[in-house]
Amino acid sequence: DTGVSQDPRHKITKRGQNVTFRCDPISEHNRLYWYRQTLGQGPEFLTYFQNEAQLEKSRLLSDRFSAERPKGSFSTLEIQRTEQGDSAMYLCASASNSQETQYFGPGTRLLVL
Amino acid sequence: EDQVTQSPEALRLQEGESSSLNCSYTVSGLRGLFWYRQDPGKGPEFLFTLYSAGEEKEKERLKATLTKKESFLHITAPKPEDSATYLCAVRGLIQGAQKLVFGQGTRLTINP
Repeated sequence: DTGVSQDPRHKITKRGQNVTFRCDPISEHNRLYWYRQTLGQGPEFLTYFQNEAQLEKSRLLSDRFSAERPKGSFSTLEIQRTEQGDSAMYLCASASNSQETQYFGPGTRLLVL
Repeated sequence: EDQVTQSPEALRLQEGESSSLNCSYTVSGLRGLFWYRQDPGKGPEFLFTLYSAGEEKEKERLKATLTKKESFLHITAPKPEDSATYLCAVRGLIQGAQKLVFGQGTRLTINP
């Protein structure tokens, strides 16, 4: 059990560019979550996958955001046409079907200039 | 809608000075209440899960308790390495709702 991993850890981009983040959950965890966290705030839920199915999306997830988990293992989060307001820490978490606890990765810090 | 409020926003203690952090919540039936620790620039690290009023969990200098409206994280004789932001989150019972709803956190600083 190596924990949840995320890549990259840091990303600086210019406004209008597209970015993609990757999350590798704890092996055999069926459930995968994406959250966003801004400075001084707690994480806010973005979306949830059960295996490869995206079952829940937040109103925060505008049409510029898309997430996938094609084989039920790793997941990607893409932001198109980035805006300065997208600057935040993007966190991935995973959980097993038998437990409520979500385990978080180290996050990807995005800065949009 | 489920809500979580943590207090105080920030707390400074001297090493060895015990205290408590508060997490007040409103939820449509509680599926679980979670405490996490977060160091600057890192992801939240899981500490405790509590499921029902009256439940208590302990780990080293930390003890979490739960009532029907709030949870407390008690820190006994803290050390400088306990300095971090402590996050509280709830998961409600709405069918299909998987998300955690977080409070804004309490920034704890322990001075040597």
